[in-house]
Amino acid sequence: KQEVTQIPAALSVPEGENLVLNCSFTDSAIYNLQWFRQDPGKGLTSLLLIQSSQREQTSGRLNASLDKSSGRSTLYIAASQPGDSATYLCAPRGYGNKLVFGAGTILRVKS
Amino acid sequence: SAVISQKPSRDICQRGTSLTIQCQVDSQVTMMFWYRQQPGQSLTLIATANQGSEATYESGFVIDKFPISRPNLTFSTLTVSNMSPEDSSIYLCSVGPSQKEKLFFGSGTQLSVL
Repeated sequence: KQEVTQIPAALSVPEGENLVLNCSFTDSAIYNLQWFRQDPGKGLTSLLLIQSSQREQTSGRLNASLDKSSGRSTLYIAASQPGDSATYLCAPRGYGNKLVFGAGTILRVKS
Repeated sequence: SAVISQKPSRDICQRGTSLTIQCQVDSQVTMMFWYRQQPGQSLTLIATANQGSEATYESGFVIDKFPISRPNLTFSTLTVSNMSPEDSSIYLCSVGPSQKEKLFFGSGTQLSVL
């Protein structure tokens, strides 16, 4: 059974800092891994999707890496802004087609 | 990308009643999923709903409590039956064109049961 751990659970930083959010998963037999953000009381917004054959994906100030063999993914946020404040979730997708979510990292960027 | 409309966005219900949540997608999709997010928790998959077949439920979820319909490739409903306060959660539908593509989520239904 896939288990996903996200570290840190919460993070509070001043505006402009570069951030690293970590995700580890126990079953490396995955199709891909997706990072999402969730704003309070809202649904999920997809940020990045990394296929199992890829090492990195970039979108604007976001960069996600994947080391499938070691069961790790990292989301890097450059030059953080107050609008980045949200909960960030990682979710590997297994061959059963299901996303399994971590508990998330709650990010607060202070202006 | 897929645009998902989920209704209602929120509701307050009495114990013992049922609520049906609708999920409408702007394009035909094979796979549709229903998730629950309990207060302060992450998302848990309830069931997978594919058109033309019975929904597949995850461990801990049963059809009598969470009946699902999938009449076509753009629409699904989830019913939360005989509700109790423990059912207070956000319920989200999700769609994925294929295994290798992104999953997209609706904006969720915030359910409170009194």
